[in-house]
Amino acid sequence: DSGVTQTPKHLITATGQRVTLRCSPRSGDLSVYWYQQSLDQGLQFLIQYYNGEERAKGNILERFSAQQFPDLHSELNLSSLELGDSALYFCASSVRGAKETQYFGPGTRLLVL
Amino acid sequence: GESVGLHLPTLSVQEGDNSIINCAYSNSASDYFIWYKQESGKGPQFIIDIRSNMDKRQGQRVTVLLNKTVKHLSLQIAATQPGDSAVYFCAENNQAGTALIFGKGTTLSVSS
Repeated sequence: DSGVTQTPKHLITATGQRVTLRCSPRSGDLSVYWYQQSLDQGLQFLIQYYNGEERAKGNILERFSAQQFPDLHSELNLSSLELGDSALYFCASSVRGAKETQYFGPGTRLLVL
Repeated sequence: GESVGLHLPTLSVQEGDNSIINCAYSNSASDYFIWYKQESGKGPQFIIDIRSNMDKRQGQRVTVLLNKTVKHLSLQIAATQPGDSAVYFCAENNQAGTALIFGKGTTLSVSS
């Protein structure tokens, strides 16, 4: 158990819908990262938050957004969902930055029908 | 561009053998590297990391070797066990140092 929690574990929705994925980092970690894992693209970095502020953006679509709250939990919002958004979404956390060990949560499996 | 790749998508070994999983990286400015193990249906699990000021680092049954000259990273697993069967990813920090760039993974299969 990494100490990072994610909910829900599974999510099935339809195209055009909007969903919210939730992540709680390890106790004491200030940075939260979101990754998308699909069969053809592997693990892709989406976005990083540090102590409530956006720090870095990766290959995140404009239809996706995230935020980190004062209690350091984070939410990833996916809107106008398309079939191609079906994937595993992982949250990771580290104490401060990306040059430290990132601990991953169990992921949310999203299926868009 | 930035990319991290692995030489072999699959590796099959016998229980008790030593396994070596290789990874090539492209960003010569990367200074942090990390190996993860991912079992089916689970999130990536940290195995070991190494910084660019080191060539070798050992953990429990695992050793990571870093060759900066040829931009090569390897993970050695001693006395491989069936429980080691998983997908192994190497990752490096990106140029800005703000994220990890992952390779596509090597699937390790251990037969008893």
